[in-house]
Amino acid sequence: DTGVSQNPRHKITKRGQNVTFRCDPISEHNRLYWYRQTLGQGPEFLTYFQNEAQLEKSRLLSDRFSAERPKGSFSTLEIQRTEQGDSAMYLCASSLVGTSESREQYFGPGTRLTVT
Amino acid sequence: SQQGEEDPQALSIQEGENATMNCSYKTSINNLQWYRQNSGRGLVHLILIRSNEREKHSGRLRVTLDTSKKSSSLLITASRAADTASYFCATEARMDSSYKLIFGSGTRLLVRP
Repeated sequence: DTGVSQNPRHKITKRGQNVTFRCDPISEHNRLYWYRQTLGQGPEFLTYFQNEAQLEKSRLLSDRFSAERPKGSFSTLEIQRTEQGDSAMYLCASSLVGTSESREQYFGPGTRLTVT
Repeated sequence: SQQGEEDPQALSIQEGENATMNCSYKTSINNLQWYRQNSGRGLVHLILIRSNEREKHSGRLRVTLDTSKKSSSLLITASRAADTASYFCATEARMDSSYKLIFGSGTRLLVRP
């Protein structure tokens, strides 16, 4: 399967713990996006990378959140000192921006985080 | 924050009927996209319509865009039970080089066999 993959699919953690999620985009895609989705709502943008550079962060991304994309390949999203309000589905998407832009984003299955 | 709203929030129809979902948004856009999400899964891209287009077709899908009213509609013809899912519109804001998507709140569609 050459789609976007995310690990883990589910994570249950206790409040105050740190968690890290991983996203593997489609290999030739140069853009990678993180979104957060709460129950009954549409996804909300968190941050994005152009290759290895993080170019924009949403105000939703507090200082407890950090994202990286070393070498412009996979990406990690870390949440420190988790709070119950962090419980959500975290979605990763990738796209190819360049000479032939389709503007379509390809989404992974998401990581569902539950903070108890 | 969400870009706009979708209407209705939930829709239940019989297999074979048509389903129409509406989306309103707030800012000027480059394009508007529709995505489908099955329960507990990621989103799948359905169709993209550019700001200078008024109507687009893809199989059983028909999308319209009215930029003067900042609204779009998605029509699914001859619905099937497999069409049961949540449908989201998403906009790419004009002059935003990030191409990030701003999603609506979604319409939950149930197609009864």
